[in-house]
Amino acid sequence: EPEVTQTPSHQVTQMGQEVILRCVPISNHLYFYWYRQILGQKVEFLVSFYNNEISEKSEIFDDQFSVERPDGSNFTLKIRSTKLEDSAMYFCASSEQGWNEKLFFGSGTQLSVL
Amino acid sequence: QKEVEQDPGPLSVPEGAIVSLNCTYSNSAFQYFMWYRQYSRKGPELLMYTYSSGNKEDGRFTAQVDKSSKYISLFIRDSQPSDSATYLCAMKGNTGFQKLVFGTGTRLLVSP
Repeated sequence: EPEVTQTPSHQVTQMGQEVILRCVPISNHLYFYWYRQILGQKVEFLVSFYNNEISEKSEIFDDQFSVERPDGSNFTLKIRSTKLEDSAMYFCASSEQGWNEKLFFGSGTQLSVL
Repeated sequence: QKEVEQDPGPLSVPEGAIVSLNCTYSNSAFQYFMWYRQYSRKGPELLMYTYSSGNKEDGRFTAQVDKSSKYISLFIRDSQPSDSATYLCAMKGNTGFQKLVFGTGTRLLVSP
């Protein structure tokens, strides 16, 4: 069964460092997303991406965040200068079509900022 | 008032019980309703996807939507220990691609 793959599963970084979280969406999917879940809190939308550009982003997704599809298979989330409050589980998701389609999530990358 | 409210639990039931999980919401623009299952340290796994009021059944799972009351439910029949997980409700409107709004999740424990 096709699945969304995320690497690494756990990333530890020092405050102020840049991190890149990587995702391989399901191969025939065209829409890509990042969500995050701070420990004990809700899963929150960060950003959606289609046709090589951001479709929608939340207030959380400020100038410190960026997304990229560097090639035909990978989708990345970059945090330029990490803060302690960026510590969370980051989930990549993809869907085949747009807004009325089902969303499939990866297993997540646990980011710990020290 | 929170946009989506869900009792965090935990909800403990014996194996074989019927489980009822619920969410209420305040935003009448929500049109699509989903239930996800999340095992510890894993990503959400889509269980049910519904549009409009009414019931939808899939195996042991039944999703129910009541838009007039802004209330959705997930019923699990013949619950199994393997159903022990956190169940997240999620919803979205007609605009935006997939900006899902999630509930906090209800932790379910099914004991043998």
